[in-house]
Amino acid sequence: DIQMTQSPSTLSASVGDTVSITCRASQSTRNWLAWYHQKVGKAPKLLIYQASNLESGVPSRFSGSGSGTEFTLTISSLQPDDFATYYCQQYNSYPWTFGQGTKVEIK
Amino acid sequence: EVQLVESGGGLAQPGGSLRLSCTASGITFSNYEMNWVRQTPGQGLEWLSNISISGSSTLYADSVKGRFTISRDNAKNSLFLQMNSLRAEDTAVYYCASGAAYFQKWGQGTLVIVSS
Repeated sequence: DIQMTQSPSTLSASVGDTVSITCRASQSTRNWLAWYHQKVGKAPKLLIYQASNLESGVPSRFSGSGSGTEFTLTISSLQPDDFATYYCQQYNSYPWTFGQGTKVEIK
Repeated sequence: EVQLVESGGGLAQPGGSLRLSCTASGITFSNYEMNWVRQTPGQGLEWLSNISISGSSTLYADSVKGRFTISRDNAKNSLFLQMNSLRAEDTAVYYCASGAAYFQKWGQGTLVIVSS
C-alpha cells in the first residue's frame, strides 16, 4: 500500500495568512492526488484533484502543486471558513489511501 | 443540489451484521462509480470499497475483503454495504462517496458501533 504522510500535523495561523501543507507518498503517485478539507462533524469536501486542478466551486485561494512523491496544498489569505482539517489522498494504485490529516487552527 | 444520504448505522455485536444504505438525489446516479469510506479517530480516513457504474465490478480494501459486500440498485438510486462478521475495529463513521478515483461528493455519514 502507498503510505501518505502529511506535515505538519497541526498548523496555527491567522486570518489573512498564507499557509502550505505538504503530503509525501511512500512511492510515486504521479499526479494522481486529491486534497480535501473537513470541518468538525461534517463530511470531507473535495478541493483539488490531479494534484493541481481546482474542483468546481472551490475558491481560487486554494492551489495544489507537486508530482511523484511530494505535493503541496497552499491556501492564500486564510479565511475563517478555512479553519479545518485537510487530507491528501492518492489514487494512483489500490488501495486508495489518505494522509493522516493536518489541522489548521486559529492562532 | 447533489445529496447522498446514508442510513442503517447503529450498534452491532461482534460477529454480527449490518446493512448500510446510501440514497442519491440531484445526480444521475447510474453515471457514477460509488464508494464506501470510513473514518475513525485513530485510523483517520480509510477507503473500503468501490463499485462500477453497472455494478459488475467491485473492489475492496484488504481490511474488509470477504466480510463486506458492496452493491447498488440504479433504478432506486441506491448504494449498499452489507457488513458481516463485524469486529470492534469496524467501529467508525461510514460515508458513501461518488467518484471513480477521488471522491467528489460525500454523504453526511452514518455511525457504526461494534460492541458487546
